[in-house]
Amino acid sequence: AQKITQTQPGMFVQEKEAVTLDCTYDTSDPSYGLFWYKQPSSGEMIFLIYQGSYDQQNATEGRYSLNFQKARKSANLVISASQLGDSAMYFCAMRGRAGSYQLTFGKGTKLSVIP
Amino acid sequence: DAGITQSPRHKVTETGTPVTLRCHQTENHRYMYWYRQDPGHGLRLIHYSYGVKDTDKGEVSDGYSVSRSKTEDFLLTLESATSSQTSVYFCATQGGQENTGELFFGEGSRLTVL
Repeated sequence: AQKITQTQPGMFVQEKEAVTLDCTYDTSDPSYGLFWYKQPSSGEMIFLIYQGSYDQQNATEGRYSLNFQKARKSANLVISASQLGDSAMYFCAMRGRAGSYQLTFGKGTKLSVIP
Repeated sequence: DAGITQSPRHKVTETGTPVTLRCHQTENHRYMYWYRQDPGHGLRLIHYSYGVKDTDKGEVSDGYSVSRSKTEDFLLTLESATSSQTSVYFCATQGGQENTGELFFGEGSRLTVL
């Protein structure tokens, strides 16, 4: 069975600072994918970034990067130069074996950006 | 973005009544999902569909049933709603690149069972 753990229920960061949101995972599948989603207070789920288990490079999308450490089974999200609009819930999720598109989600981290 | 609409967006009902939530997509995606979101639990998979009339159970399927008679529609039914089913329900479809499996989400349906 797959499991995603996000150990930080809530975090604060100063505007313009960088912040790391932790995510660890557990799976026996050799092939898997890791995702981060953002959920602002308005409620919609916004896809941020994806990392495949065989990808050689850490994924980056603008101010978002994924610090993928396969041996440690961690997939931390790094947000650089935080903005007030980054205040939201952030969910880490994992897809299992190729051909299976179900995502297993962590419980989320609520990020608050302080002006 | 995939066109995914959920209806109703908000519903208040009483214990024991049946409830049906509808998810409609315009992207011709094969896979569709129903998740529920509760504080402290993240999103948990209720049921999913991998094609017309092809559905399967997820992690928290008890008390729920689904149907998919057309590619574009995926219905979630609570046969007899209970207070424990008060939640926000999200429909999602599989889209994006074939090798990522990114999910696109609807806007959510908030259900309150009194």
